[in-house]
Parts: sequence; C-alpha cells; structure tokens
Amino acid sequence: EAGVAQSPRYKIIEKRQSVAFWCNPISGHATLYWYQQILGQGPKLLIQFQNNGVVDDSQLPKDRFSAERLKGVDSTLKIQPAKLEDSAVYLCASSSQGTGANVLTFGAGSRLTVL
Amino acid sequence: ELKVEQNPLFLSMQEGKNYTIYCNYSTTSDRLYWYRQDPGKSLESLFVLLSNGAVKQEGRLMASLDTKARLSTLHITAAVHDLSATYFCALDSNAGGTSYGKLTFGQGTILTVHP
Repeated sequence: EAGVAQSPRYKIIEKRQSVAFWCNPISGHATLYWYQQILGQGPKLLIQFQNNGVVDDSQLPKDRFSAERLKGVDSTLKIQPAKLEDSAVYLCASSSQGTGANVLTFGAGSRLTVL
Repeated sequence: ELKVEQNPLFLSMQEGKNYTIYCNYSTTSDRLYWYRQDPGKSLESLFVLLSNGAVKQEGRLMASLDTKARLSTLHITAAVHDLSATYFCALDSNAGGTSYGKLTFGQGTILTVHP
C-alpha cells in the first residue's frame, strides 16, 4: 500500500513569514496526526484528527499554528508567522484506530528551517 | 505531566555484542511502541506492546513490557552495523480512553554499531 505522503520535503523561510505543509494519509485511515520533531528530540503531537474532526489540539500553539482536514482525507498544517523556534521536522502520521495495536505510520516529514 | 525517559541516550557497540535500552515512564498505560529512525528518515514501527509481560522479537531485537514497573526494554543481540539508528520508545497516553495515538516519545537512543 502507498505510504503517507508529505510535501514539501524541505522549506526555508525568514522569521515572520508563513508556510504550509500538506499531508495525504494512507487510504482508509480515519485518524491523522501532525507531530513536530525538533533536532535531537522525540516527536511531539501537535494535533490529532478523527475523520475531519479535531480530537486533540492541546499542544498546538494556536496563536500561530493552524491545521485543517477537509473531507476527512488530506490535511494542511500552516504556520503564520513563523518563529526561529519553529525550525523542526513536521511529521504527518495516520492510523486506522479501532481495537488492536493502532500502529501509526509516519510520512517522510517536512523539514522547516526558519532564518 | 507524562514523562518518558530512555537510557542510555548514546550507545556505541561493537558488532557481535549484546546490549539493552531502557524506557521508563511515569504513568500507567498498556500501549508502548518502539520506533526506529535512520538519519534524515522518518520513523519505522518496530514493536507494539499491549499488555503486562508482553514480549516481542524480530531478528536481533527483542522488546518487553513490565507495566507494574513502568518499564520497557529493547534488547539487542549480536549487534550488526545495520542496526545503527536512533531508537525511540513511545507511550500512548490516551490508552484506555476513546481515542488512541497521542504518543509521548522518549528522547531517543542513538545507537552506533562498529566493527
């Protein structure tokens, strides 16, 4: 099966600019996640969607970050305005939820550098 | 606040040797994951441990879970160079609730296997 697709893979912007990342999950996966991975750290959950509804966005800096998942498939994560500390890899993941192991499958990530 | 701590954070091993990575966590959960990450790549799922006493093995890696001690281990047997990567444990803090997937990751263990 096709994996989780993300774009762009790399993005360099100046602080205070805006950026958007796109994610297409595995077909049929109802749950989609955005994680932020700062260099040298483990990933941190930013937002979790179940279909097109938000399940958890408690760690999303809502003053500058926004995310949507229209029609319960693709998702977009936006940062506006960006700060230096937003430099990180943004990982999208999806899972089928339900009972069982609920293994998250991660995409390759979008690496953001804020100058 | 949920804490997940791994040790060691850096591990340099000789080929053929055995070693164990430890993952301690601060709250009860019955879902623990191990992921592998190669430099510049995304996370690859290795194991999902769903109950106390669970043990899973794949090749030279074996993972176990002790929910009473809040401890998981990843044991490496007869290490080979191909195992060089960063290994993360992650706890599902929504486990037992209505939605899974809010993973809290450890800091990661950077494993280097040399001849």
